[in-house]
Amino acid sequence: ETGVTQTPRHLVMGMTNKKSLKCEQHLGHNAMYWYKQSAKKPLELMFVYSLEERVENNSVPSRFSPECPNSSHLFLHLHTLQPEDSALYLCASSAHSGPSTDTQYFGPGTRLTVL
Amino acid sequence: AQKITQTQPGMFVQEKEAVTLDCTYDTSDPSYGLFWYKQPSSGEMIFLIYQGSYDQQNATEGRYSLNFQKARKSANLVISASQLGDSAMYFCAMREDDDSWGKLQFGAGTQVVVTP
Repeated sequence: ETGVTQTPRHLVMGMTNKKSLKCEQHLGHNAMYWYKQSAKKPLELMFVYSLEERVENNSVPSRFSPECPNSSHLFLHLHTLQPEDSALYLCASSAHSGPSTDTQYFGPGTRLTVL
Repeated sequence: AQKITQTQPGMFVQEKEAVTLDCTYDTSDPSYGLFWYKQPSSGEMIFLIYQGSYDQQNATEGRYSLNFQKARKSANLVISASQLGDSAMYFCAMREDDDSWGKLQFGAGTQVVVTP
């Protein structure tokens, strides 16, 4: 299943670096999401985009900056991260952002390590 | 407060046996959806099965079935005829219609190991 792709799959960065995570969906969906999965914690929603507009920023620090240039692409720009930001970052998409019936489909994730 | 509770951190199951993974949820929204996902060690979150709060019948999808007990707020996943490839982390999740931006709320997960 390659409906949602993410690059890179693995990323190691220093605290002063700037990097970007990329997500692309090929499902014709209108909503895209960034989730963070830290060790021993449930998945946390970070950002939601619906029709390229950000509809929610779930109290995420400003060192994480999302960008959604069109309904198929989603980026997460990273700068001056902390070691505690090391986690698996998962991108997801769904037909719409609202209805509880819409299934979210996930990409393979980017495993980020901050040194 | 945690809305999704998965009480089994880990389970061993023999190949070809059935296994039941527990999930209870908490919501006051009458309209919601329940989802199960599988996460192998590679990291990808794979959608398995969906149950809507108004669905009268339990959802089934191949070897996966959902035992939905609405009054008990329980949505257990049953995997029949386990295979070695079923070894993974399994997450229960809920999406409420009251939540306009469609947040999926996940449980802590259950690690399943299938043995030969």
